[in-house]
Amino acid sequence: GEDVEQSLFLSVREGDSSVINCTYTDSSSTYLYWYKQEPGAGLQLLTYIFSNMDMKQDQRLTVLLNKKDKHLSLRIADTQTGDSAIYFCAEYNDYKLSFGAGTTVTVRA
Amino acid sequence: ETGVTQSPTHLIKTRGQQVTLRCSSQSGHNTVSWYQQALGQGPQFIFQYYREEENGRGNFPPRFSGLQFPNYSSELNVNALELDDSALYLCASSLGSGYPNEQFFGPGTRLTVL
Repeated sequence: GEDVEQSLFLSVREGDSSVINCTYTDSSSTYLYWYKQEPGAGLQLLTYIFSNMDMKQDQRLTVLLNKKDKHLSLRIADTQTGDSAIYFCAEYNDYKLSFGAGTTVTVRA
Repeated sequence: ETGVTQSPTHLIKTRGQQVTLRCSSQSGHNTVSWYQQALGQGPQFIFQYYREEENGRGNFPPRFSGLQFPNYSSELNVNALELDDSALYLCASSLGSGYPNEQFFGPGTRLTVL
């Protein structure tokens, strides 16, 4: 089966880096995803990584994947107030995305 | 390029009633997936439609049903509403059901069951 776990809260100072962590259990996951949800909105796809990669960088976002430990992280460089949101990691198998409970990121001045 | 749209935005129903939620997929996308997001939780997969056929289903009872139309828009129907059905219902569209399966979400329909 699949189970995705995330820490629930992260508080970060504006301009610092944020690191959001996630663990998953389904070793057959081929792709892993990061989504962002702002209050009252749907989910926005931020980035995804193929399971045979260790790292993917996309502007301020860096995804690190440790397949052996089934650990995924998202680093946001130079965190801004607009980055305050809930971040979900997800894996895709059997036609469905399986999400974690989400990490609420609060950016303080 | 038009994004994913959903209607209505909000809906209030009473227990036992039936509801229909609608989704228009992003242009060029032929696959629609529906998710239920309870307050404070991550979205849970309900089912996926690809070219008008149900492609996969999550752990939801048969009173949750759906349709996909030839223009790839979709409906989610829920019969015999229960209080626990109160949630944000999200649809997502994608091109096919293979990998990397980038799913693009609509803004959701907030359903409240009293």
